[in-house]
Amino acid sequence: DTAVSQTPKYLVTQMGNDKSIKCEQNLGHDTMYWYKQDSKKFLKIMFSYNNKELIINETVPNRFSPKSPDKAHLNLHINSLELGDSAVYFCASSQGGRQETQYFGPGTRLLVL
Amino acid sequence: SQQGEEDPQALSIQEGENATMNCSYKTSINNLQWYRQNSGRGLVHLILIRSNEREKHSGRLRVTLDTSKKSSSLLITASRAADTASYFCATGRGATGRRALTFGSGTRLQVQP
Repeated sequence: DTAVSQTPKYLVTQMGNDKSIKCEQNLGHDTMYWYKQDSKKFLKIMFSYNNKELIINETVPNRFSPKSPDKAHLNLHINSLELGDSAVYFCASSQGGRQETQYFGPGTRLLVL
Repeated sequence: SQQGEEDPQALSIQEGENATMNCSYKTSINNLQWYRQNSGRGLVHLILIRSNEREKHSGRLRVTLDTSKKSSSLLITASRAADTASYFCATGRGATGRRALTFGSGTRLQVQP
């Protein structure tokens, strides 16, 4: 069984479009994250939700809007896509405590043309 | 420079040799974690060492932490071709409720068969 799953795995789209990425975890964790990995492999936190509540919102353009319908799901909607949004987006989850082990999804490779 | 910087950026060794990767960080931490990322995949947690620990082992992995020097090392003994991957250190720190990890840019390890 896949612990943290993301859809789609690949996303190719035109500049200016709006797209969504979905994430689901079946680990029973209460915290979920979105990370962005750029072409140099640097991984940066974007958002974090704890029990459907936004707890971390890094300096990310407001074109990016996370939504957590329940604690097992965290989706990422991106409006007006730009070339610089091309990256791999990873969802992750963790349980309890502070900065404990995180479990990552396989990533969504976004290419904006 | 970034919190959690790995050194070297790339490492190529022969199967059977040991691989050592280093990580430096800037601020106080609660714990430090090492993750592995195979090409085109998500990150997989390897080991977590807490700020009050100095050394930890897990199978062929040995992690050390020196909080006075703000540095950690990951040693992989008797390397195998399957160990080829990027390795990231991640630090857990920050105020109550902030649960995101801060990642470095990784060390790319190539193990030649």
